[in-house]
Parts: sequence; C-alpha cells; structure tokens
Amino acid sequence: DAGVTQSPTHLIKTRGQHVTLRCSPISGHKSVSWYQQVLGQGPQFIFQYYEKEERGRGNFPDRFSARQFPNYSSELNVNALLLGDSALYLCASSSRDRENIQYFGAGTRLSVL
Amino acid sequence: EDQVTQSPEALRLQEGESSSLNCSYTVSGLRGLFWYRQDPGKGPEFLFTLYSAGEEKEKERLKATLTKKESFLHITAPKPEDSATYLCAVSSSNTGKLIFGQGTTLQVKP
Repeated sequence: DAGVTQSPTHLIKTRGQHVTLRCSPISGHKSVSWYQQVLGQGPQFIFQYYEKEERGRGNFPDRFSARQFPNYSSELNVNALLLGDSALYLCASSSRDRENIQYFGAGTRLSVL
Repeated sequence: EDQVTQSPEALRLQEGESSSLNCSYTVSGLRGLFWYRQDPGKGPEFLFTLYSAGEEKEKERLKATLTKKESFLHITAPKPEDSATYLCAVSSSNTGKLIFGQGTTLQVKP
C-alpha cells in the first residue's frame, strides 16, 4: 500500500510569493495534519483536518491556510512568504481510531530567497 | 502548557555500546506518547506508541518505556544503521495534535 505522498519534493520561492503544497493520505485515512520542521528542531503543528473540517490549528499566522477535499487529500497554502518560512513541511495521516498513530510523508522542502 | 524535552541533544556511540535516550513531558491528559525515527531529508518514521505508565514495547534493538513524567528509548548493541534522529512526541486528550521534542541525534560508529 502507498504511504503518505507529498508534492512537490522541493520548492524555491522568493519573498512575498504564494505557495501551495499537496498531500495524499494513506488509503482509508480520513485525518490529515500539517507540520513545519525547521532545521535542527522537531516538527511544529500547523493544522489538522478530519472529514474536511478543521479540527485544530497551531500558533501560525493567518498567512497559513489549508483545506481537505472529498477524497481526503489536502492542500497547505502560504501567502506572502517570508524568509523564516523556509522549512520542511510535513503531512501526516491517521485513521483516528484508538491508537491515533500519525504516519508521515517525506515532506516538501521549501526554500524562500 | 504541554511540553516535551529530549536529552541528550546528540549522542555518539561505538557499535555495540548500549545507551538510553530520555524524553520528559508535561501534558494535560496524556492520550499517547510516540517515538519516531527520522533520517536526514526524510519524514519521521513511526516506531512505538505508549499509553500508560509502566507500558513497554520492543522492536529489534529498541525498547521504549513510559512513566508518568518521562519515557526512555533504550538501544541495545546498536549498529551504524541505527544512526538517525529520534523524536519523541505526545498527544493530549484535548486535541489530536502531536507536540514534539527537539530530537536526539544518534551517531553509531563502527
């Protein structure tokens, strides 16, 4: 079975631009979460979606937004990019059963110049 | 505020030299504690989940244990392929989000 897939793998943008990152969850998983990982730190929670509804939001500015589609895939959008947005963006999916284990994709490496 | 602290930040071992990684946490209602392995440039790979104090889980050379305030990841007779960053995370009963520590980077030399 395919794991969590993310696209693109790498992205280079300039300050002020907009970016869209995409994620396809593991088949059967209805929950998708997004995390930002800056080099040398652990991932930080951005959003969680379940059944197309936002279930949680981390401490990120309104420039960050996300949505989930009927097929449970998800997009993360970031507007007005800043240099500090350079990071590895991780998507995780889970089945929201008792174990609530989140499985991660390989991530999208975003560089803002 | 929910918080996770891992120590040490970096650990160098000789092949076969056993050791332990620590994860201290404060959380309002623990829903689960998770250990992940992350290789450079890749996403975290799930290793273990623990739910209650006293619980233990093993996988090959790794063993995870849990108390009310901390978790340990014991590595027995490590091999160079065990070199990676090990991340600890908690999920509280209030939300499903994971709160991660900063990780411990393990290097095992042959």
